[in-house]
Amino acid sequence: GAGVSQSPSNKVTEKGKDVELRCDPISGHTALYWYRQSLGQGLEFLIYFQGNSAPDKSGLPSDRFSAERTGGSVSTLTIQRTQQEDSAVYLCASSFLSWGRNTEAFFGQGTRLTVV
Amino acid sequence: TQLLEQSPQFLSIQEGENLTVYCNSSSVFSSLQWYRQEPGEGPVLLVTVVTGGEVKKLKRLTFQFGDARKDSSLHITAAQPGDTGLYLCAGSRAGTALIFGKGTTLSVSS
Repeated sequence: GAGVSQSPSNKVTEKGKDVELRCDPISGHTALYWYRQSLGQGLEFLIYFQGNSAPDKSGLPSDRFSAERTGGSVSTLTIQRTQQEDSAVYLCASSFLSWGRNTEAFFGQGTRLTVV
Repeated sequence: TQLLEQSPQFLSIQEGENLTVYCNSSSVFSSLQWYRQEPGEGPVLLVTVVTGGEVKKLKRLTFQFGDARKDSSLHITAAQPGDTGLYLCAGSRAGTALIFGKGTTLSVSS
């Protein structure tokens, strides 16, 4: 596709259930990021994939959160045993190479997760 | 610890007014970016500044990178309702994740 695609766009889940969020980055982009955004707030960094390097997981808030990137393309963010505080918009972004001096990040429209 | 502090957090002004949004840090960044986000959408890049003291203009928007590459400002001249949105600054260091500030929510009424 022409842009970063995220699915689902909305997800309502019961507390304690596991959820998977999917991100299809722009073809050819080697860097992929996941961020979390609470209502009206800035972006909280979660995880960063860059090529074949080990991912930077320093932003994951707990061990209930994990992410994979298969074949250097599609990524899945998994949240196990969801809690109400996990409710937020989860944004995925991709870019060429790594964050550099002139690298633009392209964002998807996000997945709005509501834990009830 | 918030690496990038944005101020003000909220700004509500009338059409035609000027405004400045600030992005400050105690850390040095190789570049700073400004993004604008509308409700239900992902952020969209407005500009990247890379050189200390650099000034970039994008129509009515003027962006400045501090001499020490620790801070940046966004100035909007004669704001219009279409400028309404969440403005985010983001700092980049080589090989690390792009870090975002908490954003400034701008509302411009006609």
